[in-house]
Amino acid sequence: ETGVTQTPRHLVMGMTNKKSLKCEQHLGHNAMYWYKQSAKKPLELMFVYSLEERVENNSVPSRFSPECPNSSHLFLHLHTLQPEDSALYLCASSQGGLGTYEQYFGPGTRLTVT
Amino acid sequence: TQLLEQSPQFLSIQEGENLTVYCNSSSVFSSLQWYRQEPGEGPVLLVTVVTGGEVKKLKRLTFQFGDARKDSSLHITAAQPGDTGLYLCAGVVGARTYKYIFGTGTRLKVLA
Repeated sequence: ETGVTQTPRHLVMGMTNKKSLKCEQHLGHNAMYWYKQSAKKPLELMFVYSLEERVENNSVPSRFSPECPNSSHLFLHLHTLQPEDSALYLCASSQGGLGTYEQYFGPGTRLTVT
Repeated sequence: TQLLEQSPQFLSIQEGENLTVYCNSSSVFSSLQWYRQEPGEGPVLLVTVVTGGEVKKLKRLTFQFGDARKDSSLHITAAQPGDTGLYLCAGVVGARTYKYIFGTGTRLKVLA
């Protein structure tokens, strides 16, 4: 238990569906992140939020839409996904900047797009 | 494209053996971190190295950051089945950026 929870743990959705992934951190951190982990590629940083403001968007397609309503919650809204978007989506949080402060990861949401 | 190459990609060894995992890049990193990830869980941070040439020890694990801050190694002494997992290096490219990239990963299995 890292203090970062993600729901749902597993999600199967069709290409025309709309769904959302939820992440909650109970650590009092001020930065939150979304990552994508797929079988054939290294873990990829998708979005960075610092103090509830998006500070990095690593060329992620617009069918992924993040939302950070407060410092404890992070959402990833999904719509019209493609089968290649099937992956493990990990949320993380940290007290400060990347590479300096420890990131705490949630267990991930295993997404399958059919 | 910045890339962190890890080698070997897969490693299966007997309990008690020693091993070294390498993480190499052509880019300079302001810091580099090592993680271990177990099935069904997110990565867990093992160590952060910041200074070129730095060596850090965590029980049976020894981490080294290259002098030029482009590479790193993880050495495990007397491996145990509990060391089994996916080992990932990751780092910030340059300074004051959000360019945080992960390595390609080394999947280790330690047999009892």
